[in-house]
Amino acid sequence: DTAVSQTPKYLVTQMGNDKSIKCEQNLGHDTMYWYKQDSKKFLKIMFSYNNKELIINETVPNRFSPKSPDKAHLNLHINSLELGDSAVYFCASSQVRTGVYEQYFGPGTRLTVT
Amino acid sequence: GDSVTQMEGPVTLSEEAFLTINCTYTATGYPSLFWYVQYPGEGLQLLLKATKADDKGSNKGFEATYRKETTSFHLEKGSVQVSDSAVYFCALRNTGGFKTIFGAGTRLFVKA
Repeated sequence: DTAVSQTPKYLVTQMGNDKSIKCEQNLGHDTMYWYKQDSKKFLKIMFSYNNKELIINETVPNRFSPKSPDKAHLNLHINSLELGDSAVYFCASSQVRTGVYEQYFGPGTRLTVT
Repeated sequence: GDSVTQMEGPVTLSEEAFLTINCTYTATGYPSLFWYVQYPGEGLQLLLKATKADDKGSNKGFEATYRKETTSFHLEKGSVQVSDSAVYFCALRNTGGFKTIFGAGTRLFVKA
């Protein structure tokens, strides 16, 4: 039973399009994250939600908009896609309230913008 | 602000060689320290952790000791296998903080 799942796993689209990536966790965690990993494997935090409240909002173009309908889900919508958005996007979750800080990552969504 | 510095890769070893990947950190307070591993085509997964000074985290033959005096958390394994080929990330999380700070990752190649 997958702990953190993401859909789709691969996403190929053209510049200017709008796309969404979905994430779900079944661990009962209170905090979820979106990360962007570039081709050199550098991991950059984008957003984090704690109990559906946005708590981390890094310097990310406002074309990126996260949405957390409930504690188990965190989606990422991207408008007007650009070539530079090509990367692997990871969703993660953790249980911050009990001081357990390790994060559980999804398998990633490889986004290719052409 | 808090930061993590780890040795640049790639690191290439022969099977059964000894592995060390260096990691040093800068942080206020008393952070928890982690090593995550990312196998090809997968997400990161926790390898080991340490929550206070002098703690040793260990898993799958890997070890790392939380050294506050040298602000280090070096990853070691006595005998690597081909299956250990992956990217390894050192990370820290400060108490009460929501953000985990990741190092840049070190790619390990193990040759048969």
